[in-house]
Amino acid sequence: DQQVKQNSPSLSVQEGRISILNCDYTNSMFDYFLWYKKYPAEGPTFLISISSIKDKNEDGRFTVFLNKSAKHLSLHIVPSQPGDSAVYFCAASARVSTNAGKSTFGDGTTLTVKP
Amino acid sequence: NAGVTQTPKFQVLKTGQSMTLQCAQDMNHNSMYWYRQDPGMGLRLIYYSASEGTTDKGEVPNGYNVSRLNKREFSLRLESAAPSQTSVYFCASKPTPAVDQPQHFGDGTRLSIL
Repeated sequence: DQQVKQNSPSLSVQEGRISILNCDYTNSMFDYFLWYKKYPAEGPTFLISISSIKDKNEDGRFTVFLNKSAKHLSLHIVPSQPGDSAVYFCAASARVSTNAGKSTFGDGTTLTVKP
Repeated sequence: NAGVTQTPKFQVLKTGQSMTLQCAQDMNHNSMYWYRQDPGMGLRLIYYSASEGTTDKGEVPNGYNVSRLNKREFSLRLESAAPSQTSVYFCASKPTPAVDQPQHFGDGTRLSIL
């Protein structure tokens, strides 16, 4: 039973347009969400996060939206650039004392931005 | 800035051989994690160490053991490698177990078991 799902394995957009990457979760205990970006042959790097007390967090070209009732979050990249081409992982965590900061990851979405 | 360093970067083993994957971080982080990533899948947690002196099982611990050697180093051992353990292994660390701190990842060890 996959608790974090990224239903689109891949996404292709034109440079300058908006990229929207989606993530759904099933565990209602999750209350902190992170997006990581991964280039080939490298480890994931942190991109942006959001707490469940917010519904939006923005950092430059990157915005994450959280819809708690739908258990859905999305990452918007505007404008998209060729250097944004990478695999994007959604991750979710629960703020319980026994959690030890663990995150559950989705399977990733490969974004390709075409010049 | 070295961050999280994993060695080796690549390794090929035969079924039944043993192997230790090394991970070291220079950021004075308390918490460290081992993940595996199989093709087309996300990262699955194998073991973690919330702080020096503690280790706990993650989602997929079978066939693995870990040692938190000191605050900097967290190693992953395969005692008897199996083809199903062919994967890319990532080590990660963060300052504390708090969920609102992102993890810092190494560049991975690509392990093939024949």
